[in-house]
Amino acid sequence: GAGVSQTPSNKVTEKGKYVELRCDPISGHTALYWYRQSLGQGPEFLIYFQGTGAADDSGLPNDRFFAVRPEGSVSTLKIQRTERGDSAVYLCASSFLGTSADEQFFGPGTRLTVL
Amino acid sequence: KQEVTQIPAALSVPEGENLVLNCSFTDSAIYNLQWFRQDPGKGLTSLLLIQSSQREQTSGRLNASLDKSSGRSTLYIAASQPGDSATYLCAASRGSQGNLIFGKGTKLSVKP
Repeated sequence: GAGVSQTPSNKVTEKGKYVELRCDPISGHTALYWYRQSLGQGPEFLIYFQGTGAADDSGLPNDRFFAVRPEGSVSTLKIQRTERGDSAVYLCASSFLGTSADEQFFGPGTRLTVL
Repeated sequence: KQEVTQIPAALSVPEGENLVLNCSFTDSAIYNLQWFRQDPGKGLTSLLLIQSSQREQTSGRLNASLDKSSGRSTLYIAASQPGDSATYLCAASRGSQGNLIFGKGTKLSVKP
């Protein structure tokens, strides 16, 4: 596609539920990043994929968070047993090669609200 | 641990003014420094990327500089316009893989 897309744009769920957030990167981009942005804060890194593998998942806050990219394109961020503190905008970005020289292109984000 | 700080948190200027946004980082061992723009309810738009070996980058009315020794970067906006109103974020690359550490942003308002 022309840009990074994310679905859904908004997700409201109840505490304790499971949610999945989807990211479609720019076609041909090998690198994919997930970030989380809380109100009034800058985005915080969660996980980075190079192809199908998670090259760096050091930003995932705990084991309730998991992400996959089975075919090296679309990625899904999965959150189990959601908590109110998980409420934030989840941003996805992709870049061509995943090096520091590459520009990252961001999607519009998924706003997650946990009631 | 890398920390990125942006000052001021908010800035309001009249249309036509030249302005400077500041970004500082604690660890000079960065791979690159990027500036982004974020409009309300939207994702981030990349403005400029400065590699660690570079001193500045320019795009139209925007100029970004990087001084690794002092841990600072500035974004200069010439002849500001109301359409420049947005939050501007700077981010330092924490590794060769491009993972970014962001500041909290400067919210810019340009009054017509």
